[in-house]
Amino acid sequence: GQNIDQPTEMTATEGAIVQINCTYQTSGFNGLFWYQQHAGEAPTFLSYNVLDGLEEKGRFSSFLSRSKGYSYLLLKELQMKDSASYLCAALDSNYQLIWGAGTKLIIKP
Amino acid sequence: SQTIHQWPATLVQPVGSPLSLECTVEGTSNPNLYWYRQAAGRGLQLLFYSVGIGQISSEVPQNLSASRPQDRQFILSSKKLLLSDSGFYLCAWSDPLAGDSGELFFGEGSRLTVL
Repeated sequence: GQNIDQPTEMTATEGAIVQINCTYQTSGFNGLFWYQQHAGEAPTFLSYNVLDGLEEKGRFSSFLSRSKGYSYLLLKELQMKDSASYLCAALDSNYQLIWGAGTKLIIKP
Repeated sequence: SQTIHQWPATLVQPVGSPLSLECTVEGTSNPNLYWYRQAAGRGLQLLFYSVGIGQISSEVPQNLSASRPQDRQFILSSKKLLLSDSGFYLCAWSDPLAGDSGELFFGEGSRLTVL
């Protein structure tokens, strides 16, 4: 079966760095997305990786290793507004998105 | 700029009652449209998607249905709600010209509680 695994919850301190991991098992692979979702709101797009390596976008970076079926989202200089759930989703061979349950990130002052 | 709006934002319905959630997109033509359900502790579940008027693909067999009467309008319906239909429903669109790597743009979400 197809599966996305990511931690349920993480806690970090304001100003620090946090890495949210995601592992995937899909039938084929056509890329991986990260979305941010604040409580009670809609998800918003953060990043898309299809090639191995690190993609940097401001304070947020996303990494992909296709051979390991692994990705991570790196958040630097954490701010209180970064408290949210972070959703990992992989595109399978049929270009269907397989979603993880999300990682709730709690930022403490 | 493109916008997506869905309503109602929240609703509480008794078991067995009908449901209608509506979603509209502005500022784009012929978008791909999606209905997702998000249950607590689970990943987003794709319910329906549409690539054009009257073209609906169902991903999960259930008592829900979807319709696309106009290019930028997507409706999620049920004739008789079940307790298990409770959840957070999200409408989304993507640009077909962006290909399969195109990002999804989500509506505000509709919180449904079936009692």
